[in-house]
Amino acid sequence: QVQLVQSGAEVKKPGASVKVSCRASGYTFTAYSMHWVRQAPGKSLEWMASINGGNHYTERAQSFQDRVTIMMDTSANTAQMELSDLRSEDTAVYYCARVNRNDDAPQFDYWGQGTLVTVSS
Amino acid sequence: SYVLTQPPSLSVAPGQTARISCGGDNIGSKSVHWYQQKPGQAPVVVIYYDSHRPSHIPERFSGSKSGNTATLIITGVEAGDEAGFYCQVWDTLTAHPVFGGGTKLTVL
Repeated sequence: QVQLVQSGAEVKKPGASVKVSCRASGYTFTAYSMHWVRQAPGKSLEWMASINGGNHYTERAQSFQDRVTIMMDTSANTAQMELSDLRSEDTAVYYCARVNRNDDAPQFDYWGQGTLVTVSS
Repeated sequence: SYVLTQPPSLSVAPGQTARISCGGDNIGSKSVHWYQQKPGQAPVVVIYYDSHRPSHIPERFSGSKSGNTATLIITGVEAGDEAGFYCQVWDTLTAHPVFGGGTKLTVL
């Protein structure tokens, strides 16, 4: 069965960086794109970035343009998101979620369990 | 950027029908997906491409779209349906996904 398993919770100081990983299993990793979505406490879902599993092309939301880096290790079926220059407002649960890159306007059909990142001095 | 508007909250008695709206400019031309998120859990897709339901989702969940509004309909609401619900589309200008603000469904 399809599973996306994320790395554990992190506590970081303002100005630091955080890396969150997402290990996929149960499907052909390169046939899908991996997206990163975050949710601040009590807030809605916010799309951050994506990486195409076939050609590793990346897209980022305007609001994260300079701070987010995403990558993919196809040999390990793992995607990773790094967010730099952390601020208190980056405190959130970060999710990886896959979409079928060959579908038009697809849904996020599987999600990781989420990784809580807390930014505090 | 494209904006999806949902009511922040909706309260429904058990057994009644919940209708959660999602408004957006020209949403009729877009494919709408709906997610249910229970406290402390990741979102789960309950309706995709406007009205398709994954096999593991109860038939009580359905989706419709008319004019500038998409609607998630839950008939025979149960206590276990209490959750946040989010609509999602793809912004044709940026080719990026967009989520609505979410609706918290409370079962009275």
